[in-house]
Amino acid sequence: GAGVSQSPSNKVTEKGKDVELRCDPISGHTALYWYRQRLGQGLEFLIYFQGNSAPDKSGLPSDRFSAERTGESVSTLTIQRTQQEDSAVYLCASIFHRYNAQYFGQGTRLTVT
Amino acid sequence: QKEVEQNSGPLSVPEGAIASLNCTYSDRGSQSFFWYRQYSGKSPELIMFIYSNGDKEDGRFTAQLNKASQYVSLLIRDSQPSDSATYLCALPWRSVNEKLTFGTGTRLTIIP
Repeated sequence: GAGVSQSPSNKVTEKGKDVELRCDPISGHTALYWYRQRLGQGLEFLIYFQGNSAPDKSGLPSDRFSAERTGESVSTLTIQRTQQEDSAVYLCASIFHRYNAQYFGQGTRLTVT
Repeated sequence: QKEVEQNSGPLSVPEGAIASLNCTYSDRGSQSFFWYRQYSGKSPELIMFIYSNGDKEDGRFTAQLNKASQYVSLLIRDSQPSDSATYLCALPWRSVNEKLTFGTGTRLTIIP
């Protein structure tokens, strides 16, 4: 596709349930990031994938959060046993290596009730 | 000191005036700098990037980089109400080219 695609756009889940968020990066982009943005707050780095290298997981807030990426394609972010404080917009970005510029998807708005 | 610092604002500018947004950074090794615009409820959108000292112009937008003083600015000429958004600067984390760190953003409002 022409841009980074995320699904679903919105997700409402009950506390304690697991959720899976998906990101399709721009074809040819080598690296992929996940961020979290709470209402009115800045971007919070979660995890970074670069090719076949070990992902940088330094931003994951707890062991309830995990992410996977197959090669240079789709990534999934999984949140287990969701809590109300997990409510936020989860943004995915892929990177155009030549300029190191990140391009963002439209985000998934997660609401934990 | 935070790696990237921006005035949180909000910044209000009359329509037609020049809006000036500033960002300072701590890592002298940083080589590339990015400005993003984020409308309320939307994801960040890349609007400018700059590598060299001096000015880079793109339409009504000018990015200015001063590596000696460790700041990067974004000027918006002839400000329009549609420029009202939060502006984020970003640069590589500790000179690692691909991992970017973002400032907290400056909220800009253009007053008609």
